[in-house]
Amino acid sequence: GENVEQHPSTLSVQEGDSAVIKCTYSDSASNYFPWYKQELGKGPQLIIDIRSNVGEKKDQRIAVTLNKTAKHFSLHITETQPEDSAVYFCAAKKTSGTYKYIFGTGTRLKVLA
Amino acid sequence: EPEVTQTPSHQVTQMGQEVILRCVPISNHLYFYWYRQILGQKVEFLVSFYNNEISEKSEIFDDQFSVERPDGSNFTLKIRSTKLEDSAMYFCASSVTGYSGNTIYFGEGSWLTVV
Repeated sequence: GENVEQHPSTLSVQEGDSAVIKCTYSDSASNYFPWYKQELGKGPQLIIDIRSNVGEKKDQRIAVTLNKTAKHFSLHITETQPEDSAVYFCAAKKTSGTYKYIFGTGTRLKVLA
Repeated sequence: EPEVTQTPSHQVTQMGQEVILRCVPISNHLYFYWYRQILGQKVEFLVSFYNNEISEKSEIFDDQFSVERPDGSNFTLKIRSTKLEDSAMYFCASSVTGYSGNTIYFGEGSWLTVV
């Protein structure tokens, strides 16, 4: 069935370093890939997304890359700050035939000051 | 910035009791969703709702669950007879459109504990 694998489950980086979180999806019909940040006690908040007709998208310190052939997509955070500490979820969705997002298992990012 | 609001933030209930979780989606959104997250696990899709009817549901969304839009602003999830395994964070979400890869916005969740 549909599945999204996410790695690593936890990631600790020093403030100012980069963080990379990787996801792999199973359904080749997926063509929309959002990333959500979830802070403690809050709901997931969209931070960046990418559609399958694009290989890379950047928004300030955050970037996402997509390799459709390999069915991989990654989140890159540069110059990490303590406020980047949170749980990050990737998700995949087909843009027709379903309303459902398939989420990854989450990555707990800790940025050490 | 418009947001999805949920109540209650936390509810403790006895096994077998009925629970209603409430949500107010973003006002111009037409598609509504419930997701749940069991502690330490991934966010899972339960149901989507559009034009006053369920448009899609997962295998988790069995006969114990129901959704309703009782008025122009609220969207509710009812669990008729709660089980221990229903303990989870339940997220309401909404979006402007359904299919086209548009963004869905989540509320802050309702934490349900069944004892």
